[in-house]
Amino acid sequence: DVKVTQSSRYLVKRTGEKVFLECVQDMDHENMFWYRQDPGLGLRLIYFSYDVKMKEKGDIPEGYSVSREKKERFSLILESASTNQTSMYLCASSSHPRGRYGYTFGSGTRLTVV
Amino acid sequence: TQLLEQSPQFLSIQEGENLTVYCNSSSVFSSLQWYRQEPGEGPVLLVTVVTGGEVKKLKRLTFQFGDARKDSSLHITAAQPGDTGLYLCAGDSGYALNFGKGTSLLVTP
Repeated sequence: DVKVTQSSRYLVKRTGEKVFLECVQDMDHENMFWYRQDPGLGLRLIYFSYDVKMKEKGDIPEGYSVSREKKERFSLILESASTNQTSMYLCASSSHPRGRYGYTFGSGTRLTVV
Repeated sequence: TQLLEQSPQFLSIQEGENLTVYCNSSSVFSSLQWYRQEPGEGPVLLVTVVTGGEVKKLKRLTFQFGDARKDSSLHITAAQPGDTGLYLCAGDSGYALNFGKGTSLLVTP
């Protein structure tokens, strides 16, 4: 069964902490994406990567960075967590760079910043 | 960013009823996708439609892509409580998928 695995389902962090969200896929996909999902705002693209070592800013990259050192792993980093980064974070991978054939999502990480 | 507008935002129906949800845009898409998301989980792909006018069926779910490839609909026949969830449409933004805000469906026994 193909999978995208996010390392934590729930996280609680303090304001100002550096936070790492990990995502691993086993489908040999080159394309990986990070979204956040908030009520009333839907899914918004934070960062994406079409290849190892490659990263591109999405629609809302401020306050975030990413790392893609291996094909299967795409990490989202909150440099200094703030309360407005409390959200559901979703990682996805795709065989097509623009997701033409669909994304496979992880189960999400519910992050609360206090 | 190409906007995808979904309607209705919320829908509460009883088991056995039929329903249709809509996804509309002013932009033309090369393809549109539908996902279902259950509480606390990631979205799961239901279908991809690529040709204008295309109709796809998945058991009791019927998906249609508009002739001009700007809109899509999802029709559920004889809804069941297991259909409860958030239904999202998504289209190619040029560098990734852009998602609508979703239709939250509740089916009660």
